[in-house]
Amino acid sequence: EVQLVQSGAEVKKPGESLRISCKGSGYSFTSYWISWVRQMPGKGLEWMGRIDPSDSYTNYSPSFQGHVTISADKSISTAYLQWSSLKASDTAMYYCARLSITFGGAFDYWGQGTLVTVSS
Amino acid sequence: QSVLTQPPSASGTPGQRVTISCSGSSSNIGSNTVNWYQQLPGTAPKLLIYSNNQRPSGVPDRFSGSKSGTSASLAISGLQSEDEADYYCAAWDDSLNAHVVFGGGTKLTVL
Repeated sequence: EVQLVQSGAEVKKPGESLRISCKGSGYSFTSYWISWVRQMPGKGLEWMGRIDPSDSYTNYSPSFQGHVTISADKSISTAYLQWSSLKASDTAMYYCARLSITFGGAFDYWGQGTLVTVSS
Repeated sequence: QSVLTQPPSASGTPGQRVTISCSGSSSNIGSNTVNWYQQLPGTAPKLLIYSNNQRPSGVPDRFSGSKSGTSASLAISGLQSEDEADYYCAAWDDSLNAHVVFGGGTKLTVL
């Protein structure tokens, strides 16, 4: 069974750093890109960027370029989303999703989400 | 402001047919396929339609998708109470570096 399991909820202060994770199982982790998607409270879905776990090639949405870093460790089938200095506006639910070329570039499996709260 | 435009809300009564539109441009819907996601309250999104009109295994055939030019539509026939959810369209966009764009989402209410 394909699963993407994300790390737990986080509460941080502005200016702090954070890394959240997404562990894939039940499939060949290096055969599918992983994307991260933001959902701010009461708002819609926003694509942040993606990584190819086989070579760690990344590309980002213009809206998120320079604000976050996406990485992966293929030895443990885990992708990461990282901030160096959080802002209150980073408060959101973050989802990782597997991108399937077979499904026309759609996200066929999603993680359960990680809620990040940034507050002083 | 989302790149893809969806109506913020839609509604219907049980058994009715409802359609949700998604409008884009030549750099996204006009040149790439459209995918649709369903997000039930408090849960992660789920793939509903891929490649404009294909259903993943397990998705009822009450759900169908279509695309024409720079617009796409999701149709739900035989509306059921469990269809009450948020629906999002998405497509790859070829402007700048390739990236995914979503619609703003449509909240479907089953009356």
